[in-house]
Amino acid sequence: DAGVIQSPRHEVTEMGQEVTLRCKPISGHDYLFWYRQTMMRGLELLIYFNNNVPIDDSGMPEDRFSAKMPNASFSTLKIQPSEPRDSAVYFCASSLAGAVGLANYGYTFGSGTRLTVV
Amino acid sequence: LAKTTQPISMDSYEGQEVNITCSHNNIATNDYITWYQQFPSQGPRFIIQGYKTKVTNEVASLFIPADRKSSTLSLPRVSLSDTAVYYCLVGDIPPSGTYKYIFGTGTRLKVLA
Repeated sequence: DAGVIQSPRHEVTEMGQEVTLRCKPISGHDYLFWYRQTMMRGLELLIYFNNNVPIDDSGMPEDRFSAKMPNASFSTLKIQPSEPRDSAVYFCASSLAGAVGLANYGYTFGSGTRLTVV
Repeated sequence: LAKTTQPISMDSYEGQEVNITCSHNNIATNDYITWYQQFPSQGPRFIIQGYKTKVTNEVASLFIPADRKSSTLSLPRVSLSDTAVYYCLVGDIPPSGTYKYIFGTGTRLKVLA
């Protein structure tokens, strides 16, 4: 398996522009997570999906952020308009989880997208 | 909500055994304890998971006492390549009943030659 695939690996954009980050989860995984990592705030959970349905988006910082999962093999995280404080590494992860409260078989993370907004 | 507390950083020398302890006083009955490793410029990588007593795999061992309020990740005979940030996680189940992980600050392990 190729693992979780994220694109692009690096993105540099100007403030005010729209940014779209992409993720292909591991086939068969029923959970997909978007995280953001910065030195100041560490790893923050932004949103996660179960069977393509958004379950919890309480971590999405503002309305400028949106995420979709149109099918089991693809998800996007969009920032519109982008701001310099959005600069971070964005990770996508997928998981094959058991029932609530039972063993989670571990997340598999992608390599991340390093976003720089100037 | 289950929160974890672990040392911010640790130093060790090559060949030594490293033990990183994590406190999770509010762990829920059905929560599992999971540890991840993150190298610079990479996403976190699953290391080991357990519920109670001891779990061992090819990478590490995980020791969990009977009260489950803490856990210890043990890395045998570390090498320079084990320099990384190690995260301790427990399942964070909000009232809605859905399952998600909240990463803490992790422990930055530096292995010295």
